[in-house]
Parts: sequence; C-alpha cells; structure tokens
Amino acid sequence: DIQMTQSPSSLSASVGDRVTITCRASQDIRDDLAWFQQKPGKAPNRLIYAASNLQSGVPSRFSGSGSGTEFTLTISCLQSEDFATYYCLQHNSYPYSFGQGTKLEIK
Amino acid sequence: QVQLQESGPGLVKSSETLSLTCTVSGGSMNNYYWNWIRQTPGAGLEWIGYIHSSGSTKYNPSLKSRVTISLDTSKNQFSLKVTSVTAVDTAVYFCARGSYDIPTGYWEWFDPWGQGTLVTVSS
Repeated sequence: DIQMTQSPSSLSASVGDRVTITCRASQDIRDDLAWFQQKPGKAPNRLIYAASNLQSGVPSRFSGSGSGTEFTLTISCLQSEDFATYYCLQHNSYPYSFGQGTKLEIK
Repeated sequence: QVQLQESGPGLVKSSETLSLTCTVSGGSMNNYYWNWIRQTPGAGLEWIGYIHSSGSTKYNPSLKSRVTISLDTSKNQFSLKVTSVTAVDTAVYFCARGSYDIPTGYWEWFDPWGQGTLVTVSS
C-alpha cells in the first residue's frame, strides 16, 4: 500500500500569509494526487486534481505542484475562510489513500 | 448540479451489519465511479471502495471480506454493507463520486461528496 505523509500536521498562520503544505508518497504516484479542504462538520471539498489543476470555482490563491513522490499545496495570501484542515489523496494504485491531514489555524 | 445524500441507521450493534444508502440527485449515475469513504479521529480518512455504473467493484483490502457495495440505477442510489461490525467501524461515512475525463485524460476522484452520516457501533 502507498503511504501518504503530510507535513506539517498543524500550522499557525495569519491572514495574508503565504503557506505551503507538503505531501510525500512512499512510492512514485506520477501526478495522481488531489488536495482537499475540510471544515468542521463538513465533507471535504476538492481544491486541486492531477497535482496542479485548480478545481473550478476554487480561488486562484490555491495552487498545487509536484509529481512522483513529493507534492505541495500553496495558499498565496491566506484569507479567514481558509483556516481548515487539508488532506492529500493518492489515486495511483489501490487502495487509494489519504494523508493524515494538516490543520491550519489562526495565529 | 449533482448532489449526494447518505441515509441509514446511526446506531448499529456490535457483530451486526451496517447498511447505508447514498441517493444521487441532479444528474445521471452512468459512466461514474460511486465511492464510500469513512472518517475517524484516529485513522483519518479511509477509502472503503467503489462501484462503477457498469457494476464493477473495487474494495479496500483492509475491509474487503466484510464490505459489499451495490447499485440501483432505477432509484439513483448505491449502497454500502459492512458485516460483523465492531467499535472500530464507528465513523462518519461519506459517499462521493469519481470520474474519468476523456478529453483531458484526468481522473477526477471524490467530487462531489455527500454531507456524511455518523454511524456508531454499540456493544
């Protein structure tokens, strides 16, 4: 099974900051990676697919990059509504697997 | 747009069978992959498996022997059964759609999702 390791597990930042979250795969997954945002009590919401493609309707301050085993999600200018938990997902091979999550909190 | 809604008992006794249904509205079920995913504070998000509109299925080996996903396109629904549940099956269960976009060649997993339903296994 492919293990997805996210870092950091939590992050404190301020409105207007630029933040980067990293996801590492235990083996090459090409660009078969998506990023999700989840707010308390809600379902995850997809932000990025195929590692770097922005989901329709998602603000352009979100961007994704990487391929192979290392991927990043960057939020260029944090807004108050961005404080949430973020997850990566690999769908290169079964069983599909998520990272453990990165909780983004207000400093 | 397409919306998904989970339904089913919120409380299941240990050793019994968990049964949930996901109702799809606002779109066709054809040519999509219909997934179940669960979330616990300890284990995080876990993909359970999917059924394609053709009827083919794929399950997570961690649950494979206990899980069945079925489809009823006439009702625009798909269902999850997990047998012999224990406390570790207590989770929020989500349904979600997956697809393959032929023009771009991209797989688009898990969009949209249902709101989720909490299932508690009691002893």
